[in-house]
Amino acid sequence: QSALTQPASVSGSPGQSITISCTGTSSDVGGYNYVSWYQQHPGKAPKLMIYEVSNRPSGVSNRFSGSKSGNTASLTISGLQAEDEADYYCSSYTSSSTPWVFGTGTKVTVL
Amino acid sequence: QVQLVESGGGLVKPGGSLRLSCAASGFTFSDYYMSWIRQAPGKGLEWVSYISSSGSTIYYADSVKGRFTISRDNAKNSLYLQMNSLRAEDTAVYYCARDLTTTVTHDYWGQGTLVTVSS
Repeated sequence: QSALTQPASVSGSPGQSITISCTGTSSDVGGYNYVSWYQQHPGKAPKLMIYEVSNRPSGVSNRFSGSKSGNTASLTISGLQAEDEADYYCSSYTSSSTPWVFGTGTKVTVL
Repeated sequence: QVQLVESGGGLVKPGGSLRLSCAASGFTFSDYYMSWIRQAPGKGLEWVSYISSSGSTIYYADSVKGRFTISRDNAKNSLYLQMNSLRAEDTAVYYCARDLTTTVTHDYWGQGTLVTVSS
């Protein structure tokens, strides 16, 4: 099972919006609405930001939103803030031999 | 509040063994599936294994199948990962995570424990 493809880095200025893509196949992202997004600050554990493509857990800012089109899911961060600078990983359920596959990860830099 | 605390990591020689533990609190442990997920230094996340709430269903990543064994003790609110025949490529921070089967996601993660395989 290959990792989902994410851009290595995305950057934006404070207040701007950025979008991170996550591309898979019809066996994972395209086939199920079980895409999650995780935020990871350096040296910290990942934190769930989005589940089931577009749902936010309680306590997660509404500046974070998710969507999906075909085999590509996206995470949009609106009103970018310094605290959003972190690594972001997508994950999807997959019909392969293992139930989950993660993305390659994207480093978000706030300029 | 939900807490997951991993322990048992350390330095081990190639071919050696190590047993990781994850102590859970703040929720009814026996109601939840649990996973182990690892992250090699400077690399991305890799799902390793999961176990159902009763322990009757278990899956492994191909990279660890036959070498790692996941288990749980619901009476002790604990999750375990027995790692045998360790290789240099198993070097990583190992996280335990709570799984939500309804939404197919990992909603809480521990802080991780570092396993280093080196001679």
